[in-house]
Amino acid sequence: QKEVEQDPGPLSVPEGAIVSLNCTYSNSAFQYFMWYRQYSRKGPELLMYTYSSGNKEDGRFTAQVDKSSKYISLFIRDSQPSDSATYLCAMSSYNFNKFYFGSGTKLNVKP
Amino acid sequence: DADVTQTPRNRITKTGKRIMLECSQTKGHDRMYWYRQDPGLGLRLIYYSFDVKDINKGEISDGYSVSRQAQAKFSLSLESAIPNQTALYFCATSDPVSGQGNNGYTFGSGTRLTVV
Repeated sequence: QKEVEQDPGPLSVPEGAIVSLNCTYSNSAFQYFMWYRQYSRKGPELLMYTYSSGNKEDGRFTAQVDKSSKYISLFIRDSQPSDSATYLCAMSSYNFNKFYFGSGTKLNVKP
Repeated sequence: DADVTQTPRNRITKTGKRIMLECSQTKGHDRMYWYRQDPGLGLRLIYYSFDVKDINKGEISDGYSVSRQAQAKFSLSLESAIPNQTALYFCATSDPVSGQGNNGYTFGSGTRLTVV
């Protein structure tokens, strides 16, 4: 079993839709949870991070962590065509020695 | 200039050839990583280094070697390239002390390697 599971999609939505991206994980030692956005032919860039359980909001983006269920989510409100990219979840234990990545979900927002 | 620079951006090589991918960073981070990315498999860790004298194997280190020449430079070598090493390779840096996660990784733009 992989440490981090993520639905690869692709996910196609109309502009303005609310997008929900999710990951599950198996290692209860994970404390830090991150979402990366990767455009085609580019390296991933950090989009959001959260520590332990709870919600974090940044503009149109909201990250949620439910440690009891080992489940994290990223919500995108009022999605835009510029949000079209692959979204990767990542997580780490307290010491940041290694990050564990999901396989990525490809999102396409249609104008 | 980019914070993390990878060279070359693209490379086609023949089976059995030795090839080196280079990474340099201006972030001043101690920790550097090499990942490969394959469709459906996500990012997999090849090697990582926490300082110049520290080298650690990741989950898929077989067939690869690394050299940490300086704090800012971390190179990945394929001693004898084979076709299943065709992938997108990323170098990354991190600085957990300052950010406690809000820095995460800083990735380079990647090297697309094709072994024929």
